[in-house]
Amino acid sequence: KAGVTQTPRYLIKTRGQQVTLSCSPISGHRSVSWYQQTPGQGLQFLFEYFSETQRNKGNFPGRFSGRQFSNSRSEMNVSTLELGDSALYLCASSLFSGGTEAFFGQGTRLTVV
Amino acid sequence: DAKTTQPNSMESNEEEPVHLPCNHSTISGTDYIHWYRQLPSQGPEYVIHGLTSNVNNRMASLAIAEDRKSSTLILHRATLRDAAVYYCILRGTGGTSYGKLTFGQGTILTVHP
Repeated sequence: KAGVTQTPRYLIKTRGQQVTLSCSPISGHRSVSWYQQTPGQGLQFLFEYFSETQRNKGNFPGRFSGRQFSNSRSEMNVSTLELGDSALYLCASSLFSGGTEAFFGQGTRLTVV
Repeated sequence: DAKTTQPNSMESNEEEPVHLPCNHSTISGTDYIHWYRQLPSQGPEYVIHGLTSNVNNRMASLAIAEDRKSSTLILHRATLRDAAVYYCILRGTGGTSYGKLTFGQGTILTVHP
């Protein structure tokens, strides 16, 4: 079956703009989590959605938001982009949450100039 | 979040077994032990997970100490494609753990031909 699909793969934005990233989980998976990966901070958890509800949130400012649709697809939005938001954004899907394995997409490489 | 401790780096020769250790002395009774690996320019890849008993799958084996304060990921015959950063992660099952994987620095595995 198809894996986790993230679009777009690469994105270049200007400071102050906003961006929306998309994630399609593995069919049947209801939990979608988002992560930010930078060379300095490594992989950091942003938030998790399960059945259209945000159930957990990491330590990121309110400029980072997300949502999940009824088909489990998820979007992540970053408003008022800053240079420091340049990172690889990864999405992971799980059948449920907690304990079960997570499957990651290839990520979206965001560059803010 | 319960923390894990891994060596920064390890080296192996191709075709030899590799034992990657992980200490997690503050593990709680409901934490699962997960291992992921990340190859360059890719998202993390699930390797294996377990709770109390040793686990085997097509990729690796996971040996869990009886007191659960440590575990070892075993790659039975390392190949060049196994060169990656390996992360040992404790994953909870509810509340603030929903969907959350707390990545540390991981172990950089180098495989020599």
